[in-house]
Amino acid sequence: GQQVMQIPQYQHVQEGEDFTTYCNSSTTLSNIQWYKQRPGGHPVFLIQLVKSGEVKKQKRLTFQFGEAKKNSSLHITATQTTDVGTYFCYNNDMRFGAGTRLTVKP
Amino acid sequence: DTEVTQTPKHLVMGMTNKKSLKCEQHMGHRAMYWYKQKAKKPPELMFVYSYEKLSINESVPSRFSPECPNSSLLNLHLHALQPEDSALYLCASSHLQGGIGNQPQHFGDGTRLSIL
Repeated sequence: GQQVMQIPQYQHVQEGEDFTTYCNSSTTLSNIQWYKQRPGGHPVFLIQLVKSGEVKKQKRLTFQFGEAKKNSSLHITATQTTDVGTYFCYNNDMRFGAGTRLTVKP
Repeated sequence: DTEVTQTPKHLVMGMTNKKSLKCEQHMGHRAMYWYKQKAKKPPELMFVYSYEKLSINESVPSRFSPECPNSSLLNLHLHALQPEDSALYLCASSHLQGGIGNQPQHFGDGTRLSIL
């Protein structure tokens, strides 16, 4: 199956700082999804990207899909304590990335 | 509130016991999934049902036996599990447009399983 590498594994930020997680594939993806899992919770769907070069925004969250459809990123502007959790990318091969665990210091 | 309901929330069982995990959704989704998640790891796909038929089995040991009695229900029957099977078991469902795995998945809260 397609291998998707996700980095970083952990990110600790001060509240108000920005945060970015990246997913990279060695092969072209037909689409990519992003999920958030709060501590003790279950994955919750955030967004799906399908088109080359696509950029989508949800309030402070910006999602990008690379031109070659091999990489994607999730950027959070001015993090808040409610952003705490693990962010996973998910490819159409039904595999989650390793996840990036975000902690936010108030 | 989650739209995918899983029971029980917690389960402790011995290695010789037989138990079942249950999952229910009423969103009209025709794809249903079982995932296993170990602590600090991503969910790993176990099984996928589409239109109530088993479509994907990710080489899961036979001590895990899935069942899809109808379009709303998904079960996972457990027998002779090992301590390393202790994990969070997540059920998810989705529409099927574009094929399995190509639509947003809705997850239940999971069953936290401990094998003694």
